[in-house]
Amino acid sequence: EPEVTQTPSHQVTQMGQEVILRCVPISNHLYFYWYRQILGQKVEFLVSFYNNEISEKSEIFDDQFSVERPDGSNFTLKIRSTKLEDSAMYFCASSDSQSDTQYFGPGTRLTVL
Amino acid sequence: AQTVTQSQPEMSVQEAETVTLSCTYDTSENNYYLFWYKQPPSRQMILVIRQEAYKQQNATENRFSVNFQKAAKSFSLKISDSQLGDTAMYFCAFMFDSRASGGSYIPTFGRGTSLIVHP
Repeated sequence: EPEVTQTPSHQVTQMGQEVILRCVPISNHLYFYWYRQILGQKVEFLVSFYNNEISEKSEIFDDQFSVERPDGSNFTLKIRSTKLEDSAMYFCASSDSQSDTQYFGPGTRLTVL
Repeated sequence: AQTVTQSQPEMSVQEAETVTLSCTYDTSENNYYLFWYKQPPSRQMILVIRQEAYKQQNATENRFSVNFQKAAKSFSLKISDSQLGDTAMYFCAFMFDSRASGGSYIPTFGRGTSLIVHP
């Protein structure tokens, strides 16, 4: 069964450093998403992406964040200058259409020291 | 704005028994989708079940079924014959069907219910 994959599973970085989280969505899906989950809290939407551009973003997704689909398979989330409060689990998701179910990847645990 | 409330932070059940997790939501919209996601200790979010609001029939997926009460804005998840592998965090989510207005299809999640299945 096709699934969303994410790398790395765990990323440790120093405050102020740039990180890139990588996702490979399900191959025939057209809509891509990033969410984050701070430990013990609920899942929060960051951004959605369709047709090579951001279709929606939340208040959390400020200028420090960017997304890119550099090729036909990868979907990346970049955090330019990490802060301590960026420590969280980051989930990528994809769906076939806007109204279709979103399928989540296993997540990347980001730890900012 | 939509809100999703899961009033049970923690639940426990004996293996092979049945447990029901509650979820209520608040919306003024008529067309929407509801989901239950499972997040085991591995932390991957796995879709358990999905319900379209226009369907009166409750969704069922093997041992998992929902009790969807649209008027009461309630969407509970029943797990029958609980198994140790059901131990996980369960998130209820709401997604507005904004087909007509061209709005967003971004799900809103509840805070989750931690379910522990005891042997």
